[in-house]
Amino acid sequence: DAGITQSPRHKVTETGTPVTLRCHQTENHRYMYWYRQDPGHGLRLIHYSYGVKDTDKGEVSDGYSVSRSKTEDFLLTLESATSSQTSVYFCAISERQGKQFFGPGTRLTVL
Amino acid sequence: GQQVMQIPQYQHVQEGEDFTTYCNSSTTLSNIQWYKQRPGGHPVFLIQLVKSGEVKKQKRLTFQFGEAKKNSSLHITATQTTDVGTYFCAGWNTGNQFYFGTGTSLTVIP
Repeated sequence: DAGITQSPRHKVTETGTPVTLRCHQTENHRYMYWYRQDPGHGLRLIHYSYGVKDTDKGEVSDGYSVSRSKTEDFLLTLESATSSQTSVYFCAISERQGKQFFGPGTRLTVL
Repeated sequence: GQQVMQIPQYQHVQEGEDFTTYCNSSTTLSNIQWYKQRPGGHPVFLIQLVKSGEVKKQKRLTFQFGEAKKNSSLHITATQTTDVGTYFCAGWNTGNQFYFGTGTSLTVIP
């Protein structure tokens, strides 16, 4: 498996609190992605990055922000978490617009 | 907006039967990728198709990309219990947006 880790792996938080999820890669891949996966919705792209400080919105970006200050790290922030953001979050990486390697996922519960 | 739909949503087959999932995009895709996700796991890349009409095979799996680059299919011959999981298509459109399909969950009955 590609060197990609996510932290934390599980988090329970309360509505209105800020939450930051971290994705870390050791592959030096240019592209990094954040997805959420919910029953009945498959995988939906939140944001992606195509280089340091270069990001673009995905299908479901409202309520989320991202930052990429280093090649290896891609942070996903929920400024004020809501119950609708309870989900499993996956990070992925790719060299170009091709094969993506996925991290193990983070299960986030917003109470 | 962009949609990538897959049918069927669920499929139960007897071990040894064939299985096919179909992927349809509302817009043209520059490539199509296929992933498999086992229950409780993360998606794992299977293959990428780029050319119109392209067909690729991986052992018992056959992948096709439509002539208009808006649809694709995955066919599994003689399913095995190890084929259980959800199969997703995904692709980049010409607007540099990436979408996953809705997925097909495959159950193989021994």
